[in-house]
Amino acid sequence: DTAVSQTPKYLVTQMGNDKSIKCEQNLGHDTMYWYKQDSKKFLKIMFSYNNKELIINETVPNRFSPKSPDKAHLNLHINSLELGDSAVYFCASSQDPLGRDTEAFFGQGTRLTVV
Amino acid sequence: AQSVTQPDIHITVSEGASLELRCNYSYGATPYLFWYVQSPGQGLQLLLKYFSGDTLVQGIKGFEAEFKRSQSSFNLRKPSVHWSDAAEYFCAVGVHYGQNFVFGPGTRLSVLP
Repeated sequence: DTAVSQTPKYLVTQMGNDKSIKCEQNLGHDTMYWYKQDSKKFLKIMFSYNNKELIINETVPNRFSPKSPDKAHLNLHINSLELGDSAVYFCASSQDPLGRDTEAFFGQGTRLTVV
Repeated sequence: AQSVTQPDIHITVSEGASLELRCNYSYGATPYLFWYVQSPGQGLQLLLKYFSGDTLVQGIKGFEAEFKRSQSSFNLRKPSVHWSDAAEYFCAVGVHYGQNFVFGPGTRLSVLP
């Protein structure tokens, strides 16, 4: 029983294409996130949703659009893919939006390669 | 703004040796602190966390960390490293409002046989 699952694990696509990464958590958490890990392993938050509402939207190109159909899902859509979008994208979830006694549970990551 | 620094980009130790990975944070309020480990090609696994109370916290896989408020540090330690500990280690601070986890740049640990 995977707590936070992402699909696909690997994604290779051409420049200009539109792609989606799906994320689901079965932990009953209220908050979900998308993080981007670049080639230097640096992890940076992209979006955070609490109860399906966007609460963090970092400086990310508007080609990236998160969608949360329900509390358990947070999908990431990327339009007009560029070479610089190549990275590992991690989905995560946590229980308490106020940060009390909580931790983030991460998915296995999606390695996106744009060619 | 909150930030996390990990001064050591890469550390190499021999199997059986002790280990200390450094982490310093900058945050205005009482921090929630975490150490995560990322094995090659894997996601992030929580090693331990500090919210309050005893400043020495125990985690999984024999790791521990000590919170020192005066030094704004949360260093990770292990008395005897195993070859399977080779991985990338990330220190993180939990931001109370807006719910965010800010990660340090990571320290890559290599273990010599």
